Amino acid sequence: AQTVTQSQPEMSVQEAETVTLSCTYDTSESDYYLFWYKQPPSRQMILVIRQEAYKQQNATENRFSVNFQKAAKSFSLKISDSQLGDAAMYFCAYRSALGTYKYIFGTGTRLKVLA
Amino acid sequence: NAGVTQTPKFRILKIGQSMTLQCTQDMNHNYMYWYRQDPGMGLKLIYYSVGAGITDKGEVPNGYNVSRSTTEDFPLRLELAAPSQTSVYFCASSYSEEKLFFGSGTQLSVL
Repeated sequence: AQTVTQSQPEMSVQEAETVTLSCTYDTSESDYYLFWYKQPPSRQMILVIRQEAYKQQNATENRFSVNFQKAAKSFSLKISDSQLGDAAMYFCAYRSALGTYKYIFGTGTRLKVLA
Repeated sequence: NAGVTQTPKFRILKIGQSMTLQCTQDMNHNYMYWYRQDPGMGLKLIYYSVGAGITDKGEVPNGYNVSRSTTEDFPLRLELAAPSQTSVYFCASSYSEEKLFFGSGTQLSVL
């Protein structure tokens, strides 16, 4: 079974600085999708970024980018120019491209942004 | 489009009571999911469905039941509520391997 691990329960970053959130996963599959979701205090789940495993190029969305290392099964999220509105829980998620349609989530990292 | 609508937003149950959490989506998505979120534990999959009439267990199905009689609706039934079912429940849907669309969540307390 696939698993997703986020080893940093909490991280802090100074406003305007850069922070990297870690995520590792375990799978025997070669084709899958990876996601980062943001959950602010409002509780709403918001997609931050999505990566297709067959693409070597790292996904980027404005100030958010990923470092996808397929061989190492690592999928870290980099947030540049951190803003106060980035403070939230961040969840890494995995979805197989074949067979099962389940999304597997990590335990989350709480990001604090310091003014 | 309303997206994914969950009701109720908050509920308090007594031990042994039953209730149904409602979930409906208006995006014609085939895939629907129920997750529970406990503090520090992330989101755990309870049940999911790949289409009307088809459901399957996730990681933590005990104490819950689901049905999927239509594409739009995917209710979650709690039978004989227990304190261990105190959690935030999220319904979600997706079209394919694209992103999950989440409802706003239900905060459930079992006392």
